[in-house]
Amino acid sequence: AQSVTQLGSHVSVSEGALVLLRCNYSSSVPPYLFWYVQYPNQGLQLLLKYTSAATLVKGINGFEAEFKKSETSFHLTKPSAHMSDAAEYFCAVSGGATNKLIFGTGTLLAVQP
Amino acid sequence: GAVVSQHPSRVICKSGTSVKIECRSLDFQATTMFWYRQFPKQSLMLMATSNEGSKATYEQGVEKDKFLINHASLTLSTLTVTSAHPEDSSFYICSGYEMGLDGYTFGSGTRLTVV
Repeated sequence: AQSVTQLGSHVSVSEGALVLLRCNYSSSVPPYLFWYVQYPNQGLQLLLKYTSAATLVKGINGFEAEFKKSETSFHLTKPSAHMSDAAEYFCAVSGGATNKLIFGTGTLLAVQP
Repeated sequence: GAVVSQHPSRVICKSGTSVKIECRSLDFQATTMFWYRQFPKQSLMLMATSNEGSKATYEQGVEKDKFLINHASLTLSTLTVTSAHPEDSSFYICSGYEMGLDGYTFGSGTRLTVV
């Protein structure tokens, strides 16, 4: 079985500050890992994904994440937060024969002016 | 890029009636369609997995007779909420997956309100 744990359901940062959203995964097979962003009453937008290539993955809007197998982590970072980054962020894992995509509980990012 | 068109975006129905939600994959063939529901301020919970031409596989706790899923073609999957009740009110999202791609394409979601 696969799962992801997102530490911190709410994170608040100041505009211009570093954004760090944490995600740890559990998987019995080599995982594929994803970060999605969701704005209110909208669907999901893919920020980035790890699919067993480079461990440092760069995504859209200045976000990046690093796959660390030894720590079973895939934390999302952005050097400088922008007001438009305020949204809900979901980490997700897939892998294995069923290709199910399993989501974490989400982290609501608030950006203070 | 790949797009999944999901309709309707919002629907209000009376308790006891049925509602159908459609997801169409544009520009790719969704061999697998995943259906999720999301309650306010919560995560996406996988309801079922459907593969084209075969019966859907439901997650534990999801009533297959209440949430009917059809995936008759590689470009169309539907979710029918039968005999809807207020507790079925939720945000439903589909996600199409094509073998060979490394990603999932999500629909824009359907806000179902049962009154």
